[in-house]
Amino acid sequence: GAVVSQHPSRVICKSGTSVKIECRSLDFQATTMFWYRQFPKQSLMLMATSNEGSKATYEQGVEKDKFLINHASLTLSTLTVTSAHPEDSSFYICSARGTGGGTEAFFGQGTRLTVV
Amino acid sequence: AQSVTQLDSQVPVFEEAPVELRCNYSSSVSVYLFWYVQYPNQGLQLLLKYLSGSTLVKGINGFEAEFNKSQTSFHLRKPSVHISDTAEYFCAVRKVAGNKLTFGGGTRVLVKP
Repeated sequence: GAVVSQHPSRVICKSGTSVKIECRSLDFQATTMFWYRQFPKQSLMLMATSNEGSKATYEQGVEKDKFLINHASLTLSTLTVTSAHPEDSSFYICSARGTGGGTEAFFGQGTRLTVV
Repeated sequence: AQSVTQLDSQVPVFEEAPVELRCNYSSSVSVYLFWYVQYPNQGLQLLLKYLSGSTLVKGINGFEAEFNKSQTSFHLRKPSVHISDTAEYFCAVRKVAGNKLTFGGGTRVLVKP
């Protein structure tokens, strides 16, 4: 199957700083990328959907200014958590779907963010 | 809107025993159905999917699932589990004409020796 690489896998940052998470599709072009947040022992919560070259669509309750999403190319999307606070600590996962409207989305390995 | 219910939050099972994870969904339109597995601190890996055709779907690692339209269910089964099957399992649906996956709450499978 197709490979989605997410980096970093773990990051610790200080309160008030910003942190960027990258999501790359390695062997296919991803027209659509999705960003999820997962709390311990819970399911995935969709934060936003991004299409290459256009603004991301955020789910209700997700702060656009706090979680900046950029999808500048067909192989790269980034999520920047701005002015991070301890309550932003979570597991963030991206997924990507290819061109041609394929049925399957492929997932990255996830990023464990800890804000101290 | 779609919704997915995984009826069991946790399923303990002995090694080499069979396991069934239940998934029911609700949708007013046609959907695709998926089962994913998540190992600790990792992303999701697709086990199998139902798009159309035969209602019995075979996936990786010996898993299979049966789509039952009348009962709006998509239960996952494995006839004999291994210790390595210990993980979290998520059922998900997506509208045929849509883009977003809707996930169930997850079922934690703990395989005991």
